[in-house]
Amino acid sequence: DTGVSQDPRHKITKRGQNVTFRCDPISEHNRLYWYRQTLGQGPEFLTYFQNEAQLEKSRLLSDRFSAERPKGSFSTLEIQRTEQGDSAMYLCASSLAELAGGPTAPNEQFFGPGTRLTVL
Amino acid sequence: GNSVTQMEGPVTLSEEAFLTINCTYTATGYPSLFWYVQYPGEGLQLLLKATKADDKGSNKGFEATYRKETTSFHLEKGSVQVSDSAVYFCALRGGYSSASKIIFGSGTRLSIRP
Repeated sequence: DTGVSQDPRHKITKRGQNVTFRCDPISEHNRLYWYRQTLGQGPEFLTYFQNEAQLEKSRLLSDRFSAERPKGSFSTLEIQRTEQGDSAMYLCASSLAELAGGPTAPNEQFFGPGTRLTVL
Repeated sequence: GNSVTQMEGPVTLSEEAFLTINCTYTATGYPSLFWYVQYPGEGLQLLLKATKADDKGSNKGFEATYRKETTSFHLEKGSVQVSDSAVYFCALRGGYSSASKIIFGSGTRLSIRP
């Protein structure tokens, strides 16, 4: 399977614990995105990387959240001192960057299956 | 800031009925517009897109036309099937805001009765 993969698919943790999720993008994609989806809502953007550089972060990404993409391939999203409000589906997506000189059309973002986090 | 508003669900229809899911947007500039679909137990998939005014996106019998004058991108299908049961998200990207992040609506759950 050459799509975006995420691990684990489900995580149950107790409030106050730290959790880490992993995303493996499509191999030739240089952009990687993290979104959060709460029940009954659409996904909300958290952050994105181009290669190993983190280029944008949403104000939703509090100090307890940190994302890395150290070698420009897979990425990790860590949540420290989890709270019940962190319970959500965490989605990863990847794409190619727009062509140099400006986008003529945005390249499609391909989404992974998500990691469902439940904080008790 | 940019935003997307879509018809609340759930929507329940009989097989072969006509489907419309309304979507309107607020954006500066000229964003690209999308419909994504999430089938039960699966990840988000791009259903169709339109990148400029008056473009019509189409796929699997679904269509949506980018209407700048009404800031709308309504999803339509002439004859739905049970297999179309899923959650549908209207979304936009670009304009004068970040060209990278996608802004999604809240989703519309569609159920089709045999």
